Amino acid sequence: TQLLEQSPQFLSIQEGENLTVYCNSSSVFSSLQWYRQEPGEGPVLLVTVVTGGEVKKLKRLTFQFGDARKDSSLHITAAQPGDTGLYLCAGGVYTGNQFYFGTGTSLTVIP
Amino acid sequence: DAGVTQSPTHLIKTRGQQVTLRCSPKSGHDTVSWYQQALGQGPQFIFQYYEEEERQRGNFPDRFSGHQFPNYSSELNVNALLLGDSALYLCASSLFGATAAQHFGDGTRLSIL
Repeated sequence: TQLLEQSPQFLSIQEGENLTVYCNSSSVFSSLQWYRQEPGEGPVLLVTVVTGGEVKKLKRLTFQFGDARKDSSLHITAAQPGDTGLYLCAGGVYTGNQFYFGTGTSLTVIP
Repeated sequence: DAGVTQSPTHLIKTRGQQVTLRCSPKSGHDTVSWYQQALGQGPQFIFQYYEEEERQRGNFPDRFSGHQFPNYSSELNVNALLLGDSALYLCASSLFGATAAQHFGDGTRLSIL
């Protein structure tokens, strides 16, 4: 059972285009993390957001945590082939120290 | 500063066998979590160890067990292997806490024949 649903599941775009990935849940999370994973490797942490409404920017990537702490989005501006990978969101819960991962979004940026 | 290291990187077993996977956390981290990731899917939480005790457990059968040592390293044991146990097993380390950032190793690819 996945507490976090990501959309879209697959995304193929041309270099230079913008895109947004969504991470939604009916549960409230104490924190929300975004990772990127490349084939044969473990997920690499991109950002952690902990405050409802928080927006963080990492170069061309913008992350937002929903006001109700149930959802998040990742926006990439002017995508590059190096952005290709599996993007995962993960929510931390208050009552324990457990993280729930989303279903993942596979992004391919075509040169 | 070494990150999270896992061993072995690949492993092939047959049904019914048992397997032990190992994880060394990032320096300074005290908590180790284990995940199972099927191809093309997000990781599924197996369990988490802190202070040498299992603190949280996901929806996995008792065939999956673990251990944490005083130096914070950890092992994942799986008994009576099934074909469906074939997956990438990931270890993540962090400081204890629901807002703590997790750092992942590159995983162990387990194939069951």
